[in-house]
Amino acid sequence: GAVVSQHPSRVICKSGTSVKIECRSLDFQATTMFWYRQFPKKSLMLMATSNEGSKATYEQGVEKDKFLINHASLTLSTLTVTSAHPEDSSFYICSASSPLLGLGVDTQYFGPGTRLTVL
Amino acid sequence: GENVEQHPSTLSVQEGDSAVIKCTYSDSASNYFPWYKQELGKRPQLIIDIRSNVGEKKDQRIAVTLNKTAKHFSLHITETQPEDSAVYFCAASGTGRRALTFGSGTRLQVQP
Repeated sequence: GAVVSQHPSRVICKSGTSVKIECRSLDFQATTMFWYRQFPKKSLMLMATSNEGSKATYEQGVEKDKFLINHASLTLSTLTVTSAHPEDSSFYICSASSPLLGLGVDTQYFGPGTRLTVL
Repeated sequence: GENVEQHPSTLSVQEGDSAVIKCTYSDSASNYFPWYKQELGKRPQLIIDIRSNVGEKKDQRIAVTLNKTAKHFSLHITETQPEDSAVYFCAASGTGRRALTFGSGTRLQVQP
């Protein structure tokens, strides 16, 4: 149980294009989803917290107009990197949590990540 | 906001030895402390967690201890095996901030 998927797993795009990453909770309804960014050999940095049906809460320094987050349903959140540039190249990972899992509202399960390379 | 510090950054042990990784946190309101194992290019996997109402939790070869007064928690791995080699992250969150704040990670290498 508590499986989270991400699509695509890997994407290469040209500078200036937009890329959409999907995060799905496969066997539970996620009341909250989180988006993280991870640079090589570095820790996970929270980008934003997303609650179903409401606007995402972005961390300080994260441009909300550049990293568009939509959490339209209890099983799907999307991150769109708009007008991507080489410095946006990174490993993007989502996580999901739900008090309905009975494991504590704080327990988070991570997706497999999406490696974005912007040329 | 919360700040989590993790030590050491790298740790090399012989197979069968124990490994200990330590973390400190700054926000006294934090009450949930998970540990994740991440292999290269893979997702972080939850290996054990502890909540602030207990001081210790054990799951086979893995244990976590929490000292709320000192605001630090530790991961203990006994009888290490080569497959334990990975990067380990500690994290913290609380009722006021459900998002996890991660430590900087520890690269554990278990030498056969």
